[in-house]
Amino acid sequence: QKEVEQDPGPLSVPEGAIVSLNCTYSNSAFQYFMWYRQYSRKGPELLMYTYSSGNKEDGRFTAQVDKSSKYISLFIRDSQPSDSATYLCAMGLTGANSKLTFGKGITLSVRP
Amino acid sequence: KAGVTQTPRYLIKTRGQQVTLSCSPISGHRSVSWYQQTPGQGLQFLFEYFSETQRNKGNFPGRFSGRQFSNSRSEMNVSTLELGDSALYLCASSPVGKGYNEQFFGPGTRLTVL
Repeated sequence: QKEVEQDPGPLSVPEGAIVSLNCTYSNSAFQYFMWYRQYSRKGPELLMYTYSSGNKEDGRFTAQVDKSSKYISLFIRDSQPSDSATYLCAMGLTGANSKLTFGKGITLSVRP
Repeated sequence: KAGVTQTPRYLIKTRGQQVTLSCSPISGHRSVSWYQQTPGQGLQFLFEYFSETQRNKGNFPGRFSGRQFSNSRSEMNVSTLELGDSALYLCASSPVGKGYNEQFFGPGTRLTVL
């Protein structure tokens, strides 16, 4: 079993839809949870960052963490064609360790 | 402030050759991490360098190595290339003692092994 599992894709939705992206993890030592967005031919860029259970909202994006279930989600409201990209969940440990463990990523396409 | 830069952006090599990739971190960032991204395995951690020392290492064979210079620039080397080494190689830099939210990725080097 991989440490981080991400729902496989690809995912195609119409513009304006609510998108739900999910990851589960097996290592209870993970304390930091992130969502990255990666456009074609670009490196990943940090979208959401949290270290506690609960919800964190930033504009149209909401990150949800449930440590008891080892489950994280990213919700995108009012999705736009510009949201079309690959979304990766990532997790980190505490301390001076900069290593991130990523899910495989899911490619999202928002149709105009 | 300039972002993380990686050179070259694209590279084609043949099996058995070796390759060196370069990463220049954001000014003031002293930690550099390297990742390999493939469709099958996703993004996997290779190693991290800080103050010219390898601080953390992923689960890759010894053919993958790296180093960091006193100006924090980093290189990674892959010897005896195999077809499976074809991937996007990403580096990320971060300041000392900061969280994951201050780690920034470069655009990557696309390596194709024929």
